[in-house]
This record gives sequence, structure tokens and C-alpha cells, in this order.
Amino acid sequence: KQEVTQIPAALSVPEGENLVLNCSFTDSAIYNLQWFRQDPGKGLTSLLLIQSSQREQTSGRLNASLDKSSGRSTLYIAASQPGDSATYLCAVTTDKLIFGTGTRLQVFP
Amino acid sequence: DTEVTQTPKHLVMGMTNKKSLKCEQHMGHRAMYWYKQKAKKPPELMFVYSYEKLSINESVPSRFSPECPNSSLLNLHLHALQPEDSALYLCASSQDLEWGTEAFFGQGTRLTVV
Repeated sequence: KQEVTQIPAALSVPEGENLVLNCSFTDSAIYNLQWFRQDPGKGLTSLLLIQSSQREQTSGRLNASLDKSSGRSTLYIAASQPGDSATYLCAVTTDKLIFGTGTRLQVFP
Repeated sequence: DTEVTQTPKHLVMGMTNKKSLKCEQHMGHRAMYWYKQKAKKPPELMFVYSYEKLSINESVPSRFSPECPNSSLLNLHLHALQPEDSALYLCASSQDLEWGTEAFFGQGTRLTVV
């Protein structure tokens, strides 16, 4: 059974810091991995999609990497801003989309 | 346009009521999903439709009844719910069930069962 874990569960940092969020999964037979952002009580916004054949994807200040063989992905956020405060979820696709446990991020001014 | 629209945004219903949640997308996606999310937990898959046919039912109680009337619409019919069914219900879509495709989510319906 695929299990997806995210570390840390919560993170509070001052504005301007560079951040790394971690996602690990137990079964490397995935089709892709997606990173999402969720604001409190809201839906999920897709940030980055990495296909299983890819190693990295970038969008603005965000960079996500994937090491399928070791079952790991990282989301790097450069120069964090208060507007980045949200819960970040990774999700892997096998025969279904399975979500990680989430990292709650707070960036304070 | 990568929008998935869910209505209503909020719903309060009694345990004897019948109500429906609606989800719509105009991206030409042929796979649509319902997820349930409790507070401070990740979303949990309920149903998957592929080309308007039910593909996956994650052993969801029969008081939840999905329907896909056409390729753009997905409904979730609710009947005789329990207070523990209160949650955020999320709809998503993707190009198809070729699992390399990106999933897009709606803003959710916040359901409260009283």
C-alpha cells in the first residue's frame, strides 16, 4: 500500500528565507508527483507536476525535484513571502492520486 | 482556463434531508473525481469517473451517490447523512485516466450536517 509522508508537519519562518519541504513515498512505481497549495478552508491549487521520467520542474520561485528510486521529492521555495503561508501537499499517482500528510507553512514579516 | 467550479460553496443540511453537490469543468477532461477532506487531514478519494462511467468507488457508504450526466458535469447526491460526514468535499478533473496527467481541483463545498 502506497504511503506518502511529508516532513516537517509545520514550519514557521521569517520572510526572505529559502525553504525546503520534503515528501517521501513507499512505492516507487508512480506515474507522476504533484505539489499543491491549500489555503485554509479552500480548494487545492496545483503548483508543479513532475512526470516519473523527469527529475525537476521549476515555476517562478518554486523548484521541485523527484528521485523516484529513493521515493523522495523536495519542494524548494526561494525568498519566501508572507503570501506563501498555506498548507503544501504532495500527491503521487499510481492507480489513484494519493496525498501526503501536508506541511503547514507560516511566513511572518 | 483551468477552472473547476463547485456549487454550493457552503451547505448546511439535516440528517433527513436530500441535497446535491455540483461540479463543472470545461477543459474537455474525461476523468472526474470526488474527494472528502476532514479538518487538518489530506483529501481522501471517494469516487472516480472515466468517460462518464464510474471507475473507482472507495467503499463509500450508499448515502453518497455520485452521478456523471455528461462529460462536463459531476454530481454528488446526499441522503440521510450523519454529523461525521461534515467535511470539505472537493471535486477534481484530469485529461483522462492516463495517470501522467495533471489534476485540477475546485474550491470545494463546505458541508455541515446537523
